[in-house]
Amino acid sequence: GAVVSQHPSWVICKSGTSVKIECRSLDFQATTMFWYRQFPKQSLMLMATSNEGSKATYEQGVEKDKFLINHASLTLSTLTVTSAHPEDSSFYICSAPLELFTDTQYFGPGTRLTVL
Amino acid sequence: SQQGEEDPQALSIQEGENATMNCSYKTSINNLQWYRQNSGRGLVHLILIRSNEREKHSGRLRVTLDTSKKSSSLLITASRAADTASYFCATHRTDSWGKLQFGAGTQVVVTP
Repeated sequence: GAVVSQHPSWVICKSGTSVKIECRSLDFQATTMFWYRQFPKQSLMLMATSNEGSKATYEQGVEKDKFLINHASLTLSTLTVTSAHPEDSSFYICSAPLELFTDTQYFGPGTRLTVL
Repeated sequence: SQQGEEDPQALSIQEGENATMNCSYKTSINNLQWYRQNSGRGLVHLILIRSNEREKHSGRLRVTLDTSKKSSSLLITASRAADTASYFCATHRTDSWGKLQFGAGTQVVVTP
């Protein structure tokens, strides 16, 4: 199956710093990727849709200035958590469909962010 | 509110037993998917069932869909310790392609 990678797999940072998380489609091109957040023992919540060549679209309640998304190429989307605070500590997961308008998506392994 | 609600929240069984979990949703759907998540890992797609299908099998997995009741079930037969994971149902939001809404998940523990 298609492979989506994320880097780093975990990161610990101090409050106030910014953290960049990468999501890569390794063996296919993804014009659209999705970013989810998962708090401990909870389900995944969609944060934003990353679109190659255009601005990301954010879900209601997600601050676009805090969670910067850049879809730099057809295989890479980055999520930057700016001025991170302890409440931003979470598991961040990206996904990408193999093809546009297909139903199955491939998920990255996730990035565990801990903000001290 | 979340599209999918699942029960039970947690399930503990012994190897060899069957595990059944249910998912309910609120709006109309084109399909419903089930995913597995091992602790601290990403999601793995298990099976997709379309709205015009009532039952689907994949290996030891059996999924049913009842669109009249807006519910689906996932059955894992002859469970193994390696099946220990959280299982989520997911549906596509009707307002935009690709956006998945996940259920709360069922945490399954299979003991040897």
